[in-house]
Amino acid sequence: ETGVTQTPRHLVMGMTNKKSLKCEQHLGHNAMYWYKQSAKKPLELMFVYNFKEQTENNSVPSRFSPECPNSSHLFLHLHTLQPEDSALYLCASSQDARGYEKLFFGSGTQLSVL
Amino acid sequence: GENVGLHLPTLSVQEGDNSIINCAYSNSASDYFIWYKQESGKGPQFIIDIRSNMDKRQGQRVTVLLNKTVKHLSLQIAATQPGDSAVYFCAENTEGYQKVTFGIGTKLQVIP
Repeated sequence: ETGVTQTPRHLVMGMTNKKSLKCEQHLGHNAMYWYKQSAKKPLELMFVYNFKEQTENNSVPSRFSPECPNSSHLFLHLHTLQPEDSALYLCASSQDARGYEKLFFGSGTQLSVL
Repeated sequence: GENVGLHLPTLSVQEGDNSIINCAYSNSASDYFIWYKQESGKGPQFIIDIRSNMDKRQGQRVTVLLNKTVKHLSLQIAATQPGDSAVYFCAENTEGYQKVTFGIGTKLQVIP
């Protein structure tokens, strides 16, 4: 148990659907992240939130929309996705986002876009 | 961007032997390095870290070595156990920069 919980664990959606991924951390951290993990590729940072403010958007397409209502919760809203968006989406948290950070990851949401 | 990569994508080791997983990085400004372990069905889990002012750091059964001259990082696992089977990622970070860059990963297979 890492203290970071992601739901759902698996998600299958069509290209016209709208869905949301949820992440919750119980570690008292101030920073939260979304990463994308595709086969045979390095983890790709998508978004960073520090004290609820978005501080990094790594050129992510607008069909991915993050939301961070407080330091403990992070959402990733999905709409009109493409099949190439199928991947494992990982949420992580850290004490802060100033560098030298140990990331604590959830187990991820395995997303399949049909 | 800068790359953090691994020499071997798969490593098979006999149970009880020592494992060495290697990583090369190209960003000379990197000053913080981390190893993560990812088991099947789980997210990456922090193993050990090292800052650039050190060249060796030891944990429980694990040792990380850093050679800044050749920009090389390694993870040594002593007396490898079946539970060590996983994908191992090296990652690098720079002070004041919140983006952690990960390598592709090395799959460690422990043969009983």
